[in-house]
Amino acid sequence: QVQLQESGPGLVKPSETLSLTCTVSGGSISSYYWSWIRQPPGKGLEWIGYIYYSGSTNYNPSLKSRVTISVDTSKNQFSLKLSSVTAADTAVYYCARVYYDILTGYYMDVWGKGTTVTVSS
Amino acid sequence: DIQMTQSPSTLSASVGDRVTITCRASQSISSWLAWYQQKPGKAPKLLIYKASSLESGVPSRFSGSGSGTEFTLTISSLQPDDFATYYCQQYNSYSPLFTFGPGTKVDIK
Repeated sequence: QVQLQESGPGLVKPSETLSLTCTVSGGSISSYYWSWIRQPPGKGLEWIGYIYYSGSTNYNPSLKSRVTISVDTSKNQFSLKLSSVTAADTAVYYCARVYYDILTGYYMDVWGKGTTVTVSS
Repeated sequence: DIQMTQSPSTLSASVGDRVTITCRASQSISSWLAWYQQKPGKAPKLLIYKASSLESGVPSRFSGSGSGTEFTLTISSLQPDDFATYYCQQYNSYSPLFTFGPGTKVDIK
């Protein structure tokens, strides 16, 4: 079965760029959308954006100016870059597979375990 | 942008209780709604998609209903494993962005 694993630095300095990678195992990254979601400590879920395996993207308008999501099909990975981070970007970051078909719409059916990123000097 | 609200924000219940959580959208989203369960320190888990379709492997005590702007998640007989936070998530085909509701925490009465 498909499994997702987030990886990247757990500590990022303010004003720098947060970079995370999600590795997909047990299945192909092709033919699906892939998403990043985050959860600040003690708060709810916030959708960051998604990418189709072909490279097309869609981002949360509130983060759009700072977010880039990319995909590397040869490595079965997709990545998140969030620039100019502040303490407000401290959160658990999840990657997820987005299932889509015309009859059921979009929903996130497989999730990684999440990785904690702290923004601090 | 479509906004999502959930009520109540916290719900205290006992094992065996019937529990209902409501999710409302600021404009019609047809049936494009999913429900997730999240336990402390864990990733969310998909329960329901397209408002009322049960994800494979999810117990039948969970059910979803609604369309347009008002949706409900019902747990017919609350079990000890069900104490968690529940989130709704919308997708609208005219604005293909996702939005989560603020969550409903179900705790022990």
